[in-house]
Amino acid sequence: KQEVTQIPAALSVPEGENLVLNCSFTDSAIYNLQWFRQDPGKGLTSLLLIQSSQREQTSGRLNASLDKSSGRSTLYIAASQPGDSATYLCAVRGREDSNYQLIWGAGTKLIIKP
Amino acid sequence: DTGVSQDPRHKITKRGQNVTFRCDPISEHNRLYWYRQTLGQGPEFLTYFQNEAQLEKSRLLSDRFSAERPKGSFSTLEIQRTEQGDSAMYLCASSLSGSLNEQYFGPGTRLTVT
Repeated sequence: KQEVTQIPAALSVPEGENLVLNCSFTDSAIYNLQWFRQDPGKGLTSLLLIQSSQREQTSGRLNASLDKSSGRSTLYIAASQPGDSATYLCAVRGREDSNYQLIWGAGTKLIIKP
Repeated sequence: DTGVSQDPRHKITKRGQNVTFRCDPISEHNRLYWYRQTLGQGPEFLTYFQNEAQLEKSRLLSDRFSAERPKGSFSTLEIQRTEQGDSAMYLCASSLSGSLNEQYFGPGTRLTVT
């Protein structure tokens, strides 16, 4: 059974720092991995999606990497801003012919201090 | 394209009452998912539709829960005889088959059972 873990559960850093959020998964047979952002009491916004054949994806100040063999993904945020404060969740999807459900980590709550 | 919408955004109900939530997916998306999220946790998969067919139901979906997608467009999730443990955020997502199956989420319906 796939399990997804995110460490740390919470992170507080000063504005301007570069930071890395971690996501690990137990079953390397994934189809893709998504990183999401969730603001308090709100829905989920997809940030990046990495296919199992890819090593990384970039969008603006965000860079996500995937090491399928070791069951790890990282989300790198460059030059953090107070507006980046949110909970970041990673989710993996199984084989293409599965039921397409996403298996989620519990998230990392990020606070960027001005 | 207005994205995934959910109605209502908030619902407060007394224990034992029935509630129904609605999700309108992105118009061309044929897949629709329901998830439940409790505070401090990642979402948990509830059920999944491809067009009007409900193809997968989680064990979390007890007999009190029922979901429909009658015309392959909007979906409803009904909870009968609500319990306090049903209090959560109910998230809907949609995706398009044949693509990356990237899931796009609605803002969620927050249910509070008193």
